[in-house]
Amino acid sequence: NAGVTQTPKFRILKIGQSMTLQCTQDMNHNYMYWYRQDPGMGLKLIYYSVGAGITDKGEVPNGYNVSRSTTEDFPLRLELAAPSQTSVYFCASQRSRAADTQYFGPGTRLTVL
Amino acid sequence: GIQVEQSPPDLILQEGANSTLRCNFSDSVNNLQWFHQNPWGQLINLFYIPSGTKQNGRLSATTVATERYSLLYISSSQTTDSGVYFCAAETSGSRLTFGEGTQLTVNP
Repeated sequence: NAGVTQTPKFRILKIGQSMTLQCTQDMNHNYMYWYRQDPGMGLKLIYYSVGAGITDKGEVPNGYNVSRSTTEDFPLRLELAAPSQTSVYFCASQRSRAADTQYFGPGTRLTVL
Repeated sequence: GIQVEQSPPDLILQEGANSTLRCNFSDSVNNLQWFHQNPWGQLINLFYIPSGTKQNGRLSATTVATERYSLLYISSSQTTDSGVYFCAAETSGSRLTFGEGTQLTVNP
């Protein structure tokens, strides 16, 4: 299994541009998550999904959108990028609720100039 | 929501030393996990431990749910143990809340 994969690894955006961060998992996990990690900080939850067609906001959803049309994929959309969205973005998946561990992708480092 | 606090924020050790990292949480938890973020940024799950004690090689963890804290023990530390250690807790709704982490540096 490849686990959780994310693309791209790095990206530089100009203010106002849009982009989609891709996340795919091949473990047939129902739960998927997007986090952001600012320098020297912990992870903040942006959005999560408990299954295909179901998404919900996390702690810091403003400026982002998600969709979950399949079990495997959970893309994160940035509309009108702002410097405050400069961060490292991690996608994670989990087999079931609570009684399981989360598995993380390698991250996408995004810079907005 | 739940508050997760980790201590110490920074820790510097000589190779071979032992250490204890602490995680306090403000509410009862369904899920408590410890992660290691290596210097390249990769996050690796160490333990799923909402209560009790687990061991994996030189690492072990104990969660005392009734007193709302968890401890991560690292014995005979190695330079490869360097990085940031996070604990994360969930009360309900499958949402983990992360602490700010402990930055561990192990010098040769």
